Amino acid sequence: EAEVAQSPRYKITEKSQAVAFWCDPISGHATLYWYRQILGQGPELLVQFQDESVVDDSQLPKDRFSAERLKGVDSTLKIQPAELGDSAMYLCASSSPDNEQFFGPGTRLTVL
Amino acid sequence: SQQGEEDPQALSIQEGENATMNCSYKTSINNLQWYRQNSGRGLVHLILIRSNEREKHSGRLRVTLDTSKKSSSLLITASRAADTASYFCATDVQGAQKLVFGQGTRLTINP
Repeated sequence: EAEVAQSPRYKITEKSQAVAFWCDPISGHATLYWYRQILGQGPELLVQFQDESVVDDSQLPKDRFSAERLKGVDSTLKIQPAELGDSAMYLCASSSPDNEQFFGPGTRLTVL
Repeated sequence: SQQGEEDPQALSIQEGENATMNCSYKTSINNLQWYRQNSGRGLVHLILIRSNEREKHSGRLRVTLDTSKKSSSLLITASRAADTASYFCATDVQGAQKLVFGQGTRLTINP
């Protein structure tokens, strides 16, 4: 069964360092999402891609966060510099045409 | 910002009992979806109900949607210990092309 792949699963970094997360969506899914989920809360959309184009990045803190999907397939989310408040689970998802979303296992980020 | 509000925030029941979770939302939707999340893992899609549907079943799951009240409920019948997880509703908001998730209900099934 096709799955969304994410790496790494866990990342521990010190504040002011740079971190990067990778996502490979289900083959053929044109839409890809990055979410941030703080413990005890629901996922919050950071950025949405349609193929290689950004559709929505209104909630992405653009002073420190960046995301790209250069060839319209896999995607990278970067944080530079990381801050203590960035500690969270970062989830990637891709969707079918009726917007049923399939999530990867997530990357748990801890900023010390 | 999160559109959906789920109720209750936490629910603890005995194995074999039914569990009901509710979700309210604020704007017009294309569909409403329910997801499950086991601790520390990604979300798993459970069921999608379109705005023109009122009820949908999938195995032990039953979802209802009342667009006039802007609310939905998820019923899990004959609960099992493996159903212990957080459950989230997500609304596919009209004109927005994205899902907006609620805060979730933490369900604990006691053996």
